[in-house]
Amino acid sequence: DAGVIQSPRHEVTEMGQEVTLRCKPISGHDYLFWYRQTMMRGLELLIYFNNNVPIDDSGMPEDRFSAKMPNASFSTLKIQPSEPRDSAVYFCASGSYEQYFGPGTRLTVT
Amino acid sequence: RKEVEQDPGPFNVPEGATVAFNCTYSNSASQSFFWYRQDCRKEPKLLMSVYSSGNEDGRFTAQLNRASQYISLLIRDSKLSDSATYLCVVNHNQGGKLIFGQGTELSVKP
Repeated sequence: DAGVIQSPRHEVTEMGQEVTLRCKPISGHDYLFWYRQTMMRGLELLIYFNNNVPIDDSGMPEDRFSAKMPNASFSTLKIQPSEPRDSAVYFCASGSYEQYFGPGTRLTVT
Repeated sequence: RKEVEQDPGPFNVPEGATVAFNCTYSNSASQSFFWYRQDCRKEPKLLMSVYSSGNEDGRFTAQLNRASQYISLLIRDSKLSDSATYLCVVNHNQGGKLIFGQGTELSVKP
């Protein structure tokens, strides 16, 4: 299996622009998670899905953030409009009892 | 108080040393426990699950004390390649939200 796939790996954008991060989970995994990691706050869970349905989005920082999972093999995390404080590494993970992380998207908002 | 707390580190040890990491969790309803390893600028990777009876995987031994809400990881005969950040992780329910500690940085020196 290819593991969790994320794209893009790096994204540099200007404040106010829309950013879309993409994730393909491991086939057969029922759960998908979006995390954000910064030096200051560590690894934070933003939202997770079970069988494509959002279960807990309490970690989503504000309305500028949205996530979708239209099918079992694809999810997006969108930030609109982006701000410099959104700069972080965003990880997607899939699994249930044990979670497996993708390589992450390093986002820089200038 | 954070839900999962770890030794802040960093731990600087010589090759061949034995090193122990400790972690405490606040929610007594926690059901599953893990250690993840994260290399610099990489994604977290599952190192091992932690079982009530304790478990060992080669040079790595994990222990769980539910009464004290305490988890430990012991690394014997440490190698240069063990240098990484070790994350203590707790799950309140099967397949759901993982709570990550801030991590403990380990640096193994020749």
